[in-house]
Amino acid sequence: DADVTQTPRNRITKTGKRIMLECSQTKGHDRMYWYRQDPGLGLRLIYYSFDVKDINKGEISDGYSVSRQAQAKFSLSLESAIPNQTALYFCATSDPIDEKLFFGSGTQLSVL
Amino acid sequence: QKEVEQDPGPLSVPEGAIVSLNCTYSNSAFQYFMWYRQYSRKGPELLMYTYSSGNKEDGRFTAQVDKSSKYISLFIRDSQPSDSATYLCATLYNNNDMRFGAGTRLTVKP
Repeated sequence: DADVTQTPRNRITKTGKRIMLECSQTKGHDRMYWYRQDPGLGLRLIYYSFDVKDINKGEISDGYSVSRQAQAKFSLSLESAIPNQTALYFCATSDPIDEKLFFGSGTQLSVL
Repeated sequence: QKEVEQDPGPLSVPEGAIVSLNCTYSNSAFQYFMWYRQYSRKGPELLMYTYSSGNKEDGRFTAQVDKSSKYISLFIRDSQPSDSATYLCATLYNNNDMRFGAGTRLTVKP
């Protein structure tokens, strides 16, 4: 079983729709992250959470929100999806001792 | 100017070649330097992790950091077709914000 699981793997939606991407982890890490990956731009941080009561904005948080439902669960929402949010989204966890990131397999999101 | 610059390639080499992948960064406050490998339709996985200037070896892989010139490199010796992937350099900006390069796509041909 994967340590960091993302659902769904693929999602196609229309402009203006609200969607949620989900992430769960079995690594026991307190720290969780959401990144998006675009060709030529690499990975960019959207939001991160150091524990259940902690939520922080990353480099590109506009248009996104997150919810940390439990230590193991961190979801990303697009309140009103727009085409330039079409990207590959990754959830990750890290160990605070060395900050090494462990990624899920990603969700490919297409907004039409 | 992006904080971490990386040539996106693509880079194609024959099996057995030595591969050199490079990144430059702009902020001298970066302290930790990493290389991630990403196979198609997979999440990135940590390959190398260094803190100080100099070289760090792990099998066929060597990570090199030159803080004076803000330059980081990954060398792959005796490259194999299984090394075909996208390689992402990354720097740790502070305790919670890692900055990534755009990634270099590498193909190793048998």
